[in-house]
Amino acid sequence: EVQLLESGGGLVQPGGSLRLSCAASGFTFSSNAMRWVRQAPGKGLEWVSAVSGSGSNPYYADSVKGRFTISRDNSKNTLYLQMNSLRVEDTAVYYCAKRGVEAGGGYHDHWGQGTLVTVSS
Amino acid sequence: EIVMTQSPVTLSVSPGERVTLSCRASQSVGTSLAWYQQKPGQAPRLLIYGASTGATGIPARFSGSGSGTEFTLTISSLQSEDFAVYYCQQCNNWPLTFGGGTKVEIK
Repeated sequence: EVQLLESGGGLVQPGGSLRLSCAASGFTFSSNAMRWVRQAPGKGLEWVSAVSGSGSNPYYADSVKGRFTISRDNSKNTLYLQMNSLRVEDTAVYYCAKRGVEAGGGYHDHWGQGTLVTVSS
Repeated sequence: EIVMTQSPVTLSVSPGERVTLSCRASQSVGTSLAWYQQKPGQAPRLLIYGASTGATGIPARFSGSGSGTEFTLTISSLQSEDFAVYYCQQCNNWPLTFGGGTKVEIK
């Protein structure tokens, strides 16, 4: 059974930093691309970042480019999101998600339960 | 960036009714389109990928259709557990983008 467990969320002041983690199990982690998707309170879903199974070729939404860094440690089956220069508008539940592999992929076939990041003074 | 527009924003439906949700892309995405269901306090759940393929474990009452810029999610007979928010997502171009969602509520 695929399991994704996020951690690392919390309250941080504007301009601060936070690192999210996502522990994966139940599948061959190193063979699967992973993503971060966020959801502001009461709002819709926003894709944030993606990385290939090897850790190369990261992609970022324009809203976080230059501030967030996605990475992974395949020896630990863990995905990370380093978030710097945080803004109030980064407040959201952050989900890690596994990329689907059929029909060209691009979709998210499994999601974690999410971790809440609150940016406020 | 491909903009995904869902309609209606809210749909009031009685259990047992047939439901049709729409999703429009600002440019063609072929069949690279997914649908998700999200209930309050829960993570999204994949329903449909490739515009029309049901994900593992998804009941047959959920079906997807369309290609290019126009897509539809149909629930053939709405059950009580189907009241939720539904999102479409294009998987064809970076950045990946989601529609704003359709909330299916009890009439």
